[in-house]
Amino acid sequence: QQQVKQSPQSLIVQKGGISIINCAYENTAFDYFPWYQQFPGKGPALLIAIRPDVSEKKEGRFTISFNKSAKQFSLHIMDSQPGDSATYFCAATAYGQNFVFGPGTRLSVLP
Amino acid sequence: GAGVSQSPSNKVTEKGKDVELRCDPISGHTALYWYRQSLGQGLEFLIYFQGNSAPDKSGLPSDRFSAERTGGSVSTLTIQRTQQEDSAVYLCASSPTHGGYTFGSGTRLTVV
Repeated sequence: QQQVKQSPQSLIVQKGGISIINCAYENTAFDYFPWYQQFPGKGPALLIAIRPDVSEKKEGRFTISFNKSAKQFSLHIMDSQPGDSATYFCAATAYGQNFVFGPGTRLSVLP
Repeated sequence: GAGVSQSPSNKVTEKGKDVELRCDPISGHTALYWYRQSLGQGLEFLIYFQGNSAPDKSGLPSDRFSAERTGGSVSTLTIQRTQQEDSAVYLCASSPTHGGYTFGSGTRLTVV
């Protein structure tokens, strides 16, 4: 019940395309859902996060869509750029608990 | 400080030696976490400190691993009698009581 499932494991997108990464969870107590971006040799960096009282959050080219009833959330990267090539981790947590991370998606954006 | 600081950035040690990894969290962050990341893999939870509460040690892989957090700030992760399978990047993160983690750049540990 503590797992967060993430797909796909890897993703190749052409420059200008839309990248979509999906995550699913089981624990209905989770109330904070962040996405992290990690470049090689660096620690993960918080990209965007959502709480379950909204269905969508947009920051620039990055959008989180959240479906509470389905217990799913996804990251959409619009107009994907080669600089977006990185590994993306979704995560979930409940108050006072440590984060549960998905296994990661390696995104490659081709020029 | 401005971010989470980890030291050393790289550590090469001989099998059987003990190592200590240090983490300086963001000032004022009450929570501190240690994760391990093997090459090309996901984030493996190790231990979690929250304020003055007893730490959540449920992720420590064996009794060779221990961690402490002094004065609610700096944390040290100690690995005793290192093994080759301990080779990984050890990531520290801190956060406010309930909010996003800020990760350090990690310590790359290589056991030879």
